[in-house]
Amino acid sequence: AQSVSQHNHHVILSEAASLELGCNYSYGGTVNLFWYVQYPGQHLQLLLKYFSGDPLVKGIKGFEAEFIKSKFSFNLRKPSVQWSDTAEYFCAVNRRGYQKVTFGIGTKLQVIP
Amino acid sequence: GAGVSQTPSNKVTEKGKYVELRCDPISGHTALYWYRQSLGQGPEFLIYFQGTGAADDSGLPNDRFFAVRPEGSVSTLKIQRTERGDSAVYLCASSLDTGGVYNEQFFGPGTRLTVL
Repeated sequence: AQSVSQHNHHVILSEAASLELGCNYSYGGTVNLFWYVQYPGQHLQLLLKYFSGDPLVKGIKGFEAEFIKSKFSFNLRKPSVQWSDTAEYFCAVNRRGYQKVTFGIGTKLQVIP
Repeated sequence: GAGVSQTPSNKVTEKGKYVELRCDPISGHTALYWYRQSLGQGPEFLIYFQGTGAADDSGLPNDRFFAVRPEGSVSTLKIQRTERGDSAVYLCASSLDTGGVYNEQFFGPGTRLTVL
């Protein structure tokens, strides 16, 4: 069965600091990878996704993630965070050809002005 | 256009009671998903519908949980003999026809179920 590990459960950063959230998955086959974000009081929404091709994926609001197949990793990055990035971030994976998505436990990011 | 809607937004019930949670997907989305999110956890897959049929129900925890989608649009998640451990936020998502390829899932606001 596939699983997703997020290493940081709670991250506190000052504005303009750089962000990197770790994500590793366990499935050895072909996968699709996602980062979802949930802003306070809002629905889960897709931040970015990787299906194939360039392993460096750019998403909304200046976020990017890099797929490193040899490390089974899909870390999320942002060079300079803003207070409005305060949210919970979920890494997720699904096996290619299947619709079931497995989510990580989530990382709560708090950005201090 | 409207997003995925879920009713009720909050449901408080007593242990042993029956509950129904409703999901209204985005118009035109043939795929519908239910997830459960317990406190401090990520969403956990329960069931996936393609049209009216359950294409994957491997995430339903036991036979107290059942979901239907009789006309291929609105779906109802039914929980019998509720237990305190069923307390969670139940999320619904929908997507376009997958055709074997993943399509982005759009999530609703969830129903917070509390079993006393």
